[in-house]
This record gives sequence, C-alpha cells and structure tokens, in this order.
Amino acid sequence: AQTVTQSQPEMSVQEAETVTLSCTYDTSESDYYLFWYKQPPSRQMILVIRQEAYKQQNATENRFSVNFQKAAKSFSLKISDSQLGDAAMYFCAYVKQGNLIFGKGTKLSVKP
Amino acid sequence: KAGVTQTPRYLIKTRGQQVTLSCSPISGHRSVSWYQQTPGQGLQFLFEYFSETQRNKGNFPGRFSGRQFSNSRSEMNVSTLELGDSALYLCASSSGAGNTIYFGEGSWLTVV
Repeated sequence: AQTVTQSQPEMSVQEAETVTLSCTYDTSESDYYLFWYKQPPSRQMILVIRQEAYKQQNATENRFSVNFQKAAKSFSLKISDSQLGDAAMYFCAYVKQGNLIFGKGTKLSVKP
Repeated sequence: KAGVTQTPRYLIKTRGQQVTLSCSPISGHRSVSWYQQTPGQGLQFLFEYFSETQRNKGNFPGRFSGRQFSNSRSEMNVSTLELGDSALYLCASSSGAGNTIYFGEGSWLTVV
C-alpha cells in the first residue's frame, strides 16, 4: 500500500526564520510525483511545490525548497524567511494515476 | 484562466436526502478527481474521471457516485446521506498523469 507520513502534527517558527517540515512515503514505483500543498484557514488547497521522482535536482519555488531523498523515500519542505502568511496546514502528497495520497498534515504557526 | 470552480460552496442537508455537487475544471483539463476532507479521516480520495471514464475509485460505499460530462465538468452524488458524510468535498483537475493537480475552493456539506 502507498502511504505518506508526516511525523510532525504541529510546528512553530519565528517570523523571518527557517523551518523544515518532514515527509516520508512508501511506494514500489520508480517514477512518480510528489507535492506539497498548503491549506490556509480558507481551506483552499494551494500548490506549494512539485517534484518529479526521476529528477535528482531538488525543486525550488522562491522561499520554498525541498530535500528529496529518493532512496530514503523522504521529501521534506524547507520554508525560508518565514512570513505570517505562511501559517497554514501543509500536506505532503504522492500521486499515481491521478490519485493523490495525502499525509495527515502539519499545522504551521508563525510567530511575529 | 479561470480556476477550478465548485458549486454550491455551502449546503445543509437532512439525513436520508441526497446531494449533488458540481465541479468545473480548468479549461483544457480532462482529469477531474474528488476528495473528502474530515477532521477524523483527513483527505481521502473518492474517484477520478478522465474523458468521461472513471479511472480510479477510492474506498467509499456505493452511495457515493460521480460522473463526467463531455465538456469535462463533473458531478458527484451522495445518496441516503448520513451524519458522517458531513465534510469538505474538494474537486481537483489536471491536464494528465503526473501534471500538477489544482484544487477548487471546496463544497462544505453539513448533514443534520
């Protein structure tokens, strides 16, 4: 079975600091895609970053970057220069055949 | 380009009734998937349609059904509503396997 595990139910970071959210997954596939989504209180799921498993280079989107370790099946998200607007639930997800499998999420708080 | 549009946004139904939720994908996207989000179970995959064909189905009872029209718009139906069906129902679309999946704002269903 394919599973996604986010071991940190809650995290807190000081504004302007850096925080890393952890995610591990389990799959027998060799080619797949991984995502981080952000869900603010409005509940809109917003794509943060996407990683293709066949690419060794870690994806980066402005202040957001990932540390993708394929052999370890690890896909952590680093948020640099944290802002108040980054406060949200963050979901790690694995996709296969159009079906997203989500972790339980990490609630990120940002302190001013 | 308009995003994924879901209607209605909020609705209240009585146990035993049925409900139909609608989703219009991003223009050009042929894959539409549905997810249920609850505090207890998190985000769970319901089903995915591509070019009017259901390609994948999650582990939900037969009371949950869906369909996709030739213009890629999709509907999901829940019959004989139960209190436990109260949830946020999220629709997502993509242009194909492995491509980024974009979400709508969701439909909040409350069953009383």
